Amino acid sequence: DAGVTQSPTHLIKTRGQQVTLRCSPKSGHDTVSWYQQALGQGPQFIFQYYEEEERQRGNFPDRFSGHQFPNYSSELNVNALLLGDSALYLCASSFRGNTEAFFGQGTRLTVV
Amino acid sequence: EDQVTQSPEALRLQEGESSSLNCSYTVSGLRGLFWYRQDPGKGPEFLFTLYSAGEEKEKERLKATLTKKESFLHITAPKPEDSATYLCAVKISNDYKLSFGAGTTVTVRA
Repeated sequence: DAGVTQSPTHLIKTRGQQVTLRCSPKSGHDTVSWYQQALGQGPQFIFQYYEEEERQRGNFPDRFSGHQFPNYSSELNVNALLLGDSALYLCASSFRGNTEAFFGQGTRLTVV
Repeated sequence: EDQVTQSPEALRLQEGESSSLNCSYTVSGLRGLFWYRQDPGKGPEFLFTLYSAGEEKEKERLKATLTKKESFLHITAPKPEDSATYLCAVKISNDYKLSFGAGTTVTVRA
């Protein structure tokens, strides 16, 4: 049973560019949440997608956007990258957002 | 504002030396408290969910307990492979997000 998978694992982008990160949820899960984790910090909630809609959003600017597809996979898009966007981006899946969340291995984004 | 605070920030243990990690929370309407283990550069790995005060969960050398204001993760006779950062998170009523503490980094020396 495949767990949560994220791609790519590492990414280097230049300030001002745009990036797309991808996530496939664990089998049987229909809800995807995205988190940003800076070095030495706990993960911070970006948003959650359920039934192809953004259900809840954290304190992140509009430069952060997402999408969920009919097969429950999801994308996180970040526009106009800033140096401060460098972090580990984590995807977590659950069933209807009400069960334990399982995380992928993360995408390490470095903005230079 | 909801707060999750973990202590200590770092813990260095000798193999076999048992200890406890603390997660204190100030939230209204706790729906669940979660413990995760995170290895460097990896995503958090789910360990336990606790729902109500007095509840306890065990897995191998780990035991998690919950009171109305805090949770403890007890590590009994740790081994070097227990070295990791342990994260605590809470979920509250009418909210779908997990709110995390900053974690406790545990290093177990052989």
